[in-house]
Amino acid sequence: AQTVTQSQPEMSVQEAETVTLSCTYDTSESDYYLFWYKQPPSRQMILVIRQEAYKQQNATENRFSVNFQKAAKSFSLKISDSQLGDAAMYFCAYEGGVYQLIWGAGTKLIIKP
Amino acid sequence: GAGVSQSPRYKVTKRGQDVALRCDPISGHVSLYWYRQALGQGPEFLTYFNYEAQQDKSGLPNDRFSAERPEGSISTLTIQRTEQRDSAMYRCASGGTLLGSYNEQFFGPGTRLTVL
Repeated sequence: AQTVTQSQPEMSVQEAETVTLSCTYDTSESDYYLFWYKQPPSRQMILVIRQEAYKQQNATENRFSVNFQKAAKSFSLKISDSQLGDAAMYFCAYEGGVYQLIWGAGTKLIIKP
Repeated sequence: GAGVSQSPRYKVTKRGQDVALRCDPISGHVSLYWYRQALGQGPEFLTYFNYEAQQDKSGLPNDRFSAERPEGSISTLTIQRTEQRDSAMYRCASGGTLLGSYNEQFFGPGTRLTVL
């Protein structure tokens, strides 16, 4: 069975600096998708970035980028120029052949002004 | 509507009562998913539908939980004889117009259930 692990329950970063959130996963599938979702205090679930496993190029969305290491089954999120509005819970998620999302436990990101 | 909607947004009930949670997906979306998220934890999968067919209900915790999507659109998650451990955010997501391909899941705002 697939699993997703986020080993950092909480991270903090100074405003305008860069922070990296870690995620590892386990799967025997070769084709799948990986996601980072942001959950602010409103508890909405907002898609931040998506990576397709067959693509070697790391996905980027403005200040957000990923470091996807398929062989190592690692999928970290880098947030550059951190802003106060980035403060939230961040969830890593996996979607494989069964289409359901499998989630990590989340990392709480604190931005220090 | 423009997005996934859920009702009620908040539900407080007494232990032993039945509750029905509604999800209205994005029009035309084939797939519909239910997740449960306890406070401070990541979401956990409950069940999902393609059209009206329930494809996977392996995440439903026990037989007090059931879900239906009779016309392939609106879905209802029903919890019978609620218990305090059922208290959580119940979140619905819908995805895409094509079966057999990747479909991004769009999440609703959730229903926060509190069982007293």
